Amino acid sequence: DAGVTQSPTHLIKTRGQQVTLRCSPKSGHDTVSWYQQALGQGPQFIFQYYEEEERQRGNFPDRFSGHQFPNYSSELNVNALLLGDSALYLCASSGDRGPSYEQYFGPGTRLTVT
Amino acid sequence: ILNVEQSPQSLHVQEGDSTNFTCSFPSSNFYALHWYRWETAKSPEALFVMTLNGDEKKKGRISATLNTKEGYSYLYIKGSQPEDSATYLCAFFMDSNYQLIWGAGTKLIIKP
Repeated sequence: DAGVTQSPTHLIKTRGQQVTLRCSPKSGHDTVSWYQQALGQGPQFIFQYYEEEERQRGNFPDRFSGHQFPNYSSELNVNALLLGDSALYLCASSGDRGPSYEQYFGPGTRLTVT
Repeated sequence: ILNVEQSPQSLHVQEGDSTNFTCSFPSSNFYALHWYRWETAKSPEALFVMTLNGDEKKKGRISATLNTKEGYSYLYIKGSQPEDSATYLCAFFMDSNYQLIWGAGTKLIIKP
């Protein structure tokens, strides 16, 4: 049973560019959440997708957008990259969007913006 | 602004000793409290999801308690082993707000 997978593992982009990160949830999971983790901080919630719709959003600008596909996989898109977008981006899946369900995390994508 | 505080930020413990650390969260509108362990070069892994005041959960040598009225949770590790070295993160789920608010973690280093 494959766990949560993310691609790519590492990525280097230039300010102003756009980036797309990908996530495949654990088998049987239909809810995907995206987090940004800066060095020395806890993960910051970006948004959650359920039934192909964005159900909840954290305090991130509209430059951050996403999508969920019918097979529950998800993409995170960031436009007009800033140096401050450099971080580890984590994807997590769960069997339900409710708070009692533990989240299963992928290995993350390390984004460096130069 | 909702804040989840974890203390201490880091902790060095001798192998075989027991230890504990704290997660503080807003006591109002509580829904759930999650604990995760994050080993270097791996993905965060769920330890416990706790929802009831007074709840105690145990997994091997690791246990956790929850006090929702005063807004804190303790994580205990009994007889620390080198494989316990990791960052331990807690996350708070507020009622009707479907997002986890995370603490910055406690980095635990077990000295052989």
